[in-house]
Amino acid sequence: SYVVTQPPSVSVAPGQTATITCGGNNIRSKSVHWHQQKPGQAPVLVVYDDSDRPSGIPERFSGSNSGNTATLTISRVEAGDEADYYCQLWDTSSDHVIFGGGTKLTVL
Amino acid sequence: EVQLLESGGGLVQPGGSLRLSCAASGFTFSSYAMSWVRQAPGKGLEWVSAISDGAGNTYYADSVKGRFTISRDNSKNTLYLQMNNLRAEDTAVYYCARISRGWWVIYSLDYWGQGTLVTVSS
Repeated sequence: SYVVTQPPSVSVAPGQTATITCGGNNIRSKSVHWHQQKPGQAPVLVVYDDSDRPSGIPERFSGSNSGNTATLTISRVEAGDEADYYCQLWDTSSDHVIFGGGTKLTVL
Repeated sequence: EVQLLESGGGLVQPGGSLRLSCAASGFTFSSYAMSWVRQAPGKGLEWVSAISDGAGNTYYADSVKGRFTISRDNSKNTLYLQMNNLRAEDTAVYYCARISRGWWVIYSLDYWGQGTLVTVSS
């Protein structure tokens, strides 16, 4: 089945930009979605269909998808953005929902 | 407001069974496909199963196929997960989630419940 790879951790200073990647073979052909999960809480969808934001999600969260890498970008990072982030997509060859392994964002 | 409330978790012995429920409100339940996702302690998210809006079609992860059964009762706005022949590795928080759109291609999971903990141990 389709494999996606995320970096285990990303660290960024407050006010800077965080970039979290999700790599997979020709991932640009798939719709990629991103979920934020804070400790002890359920996941929350923050970006869907590569680059759209659900209502209530700050404009600081954006996404892109090109080639073999989908990217979640968080601008002007705040302490409250510290969380685990998961990419999610649909694998048509296996009929499975696929999650990346997750990236822990640390705000220094 | 969309709400998903899971219940039915608990401690069960290896080889035992458990049925999880997810009560939905705040949207037209019968118009959406639904999914179960689990998270083992300290681990990442793992998709478990999905069911179409009318319950006519289902998908399962390889790790649970043949042991778990997803179902729904649209008259009760409730999603279920029947788990049989449970193993220690099934220990996890189980979340129900709404599928935003699609079935032959599943798109984003746009709302999640708070989860229910299943512990498989003797």
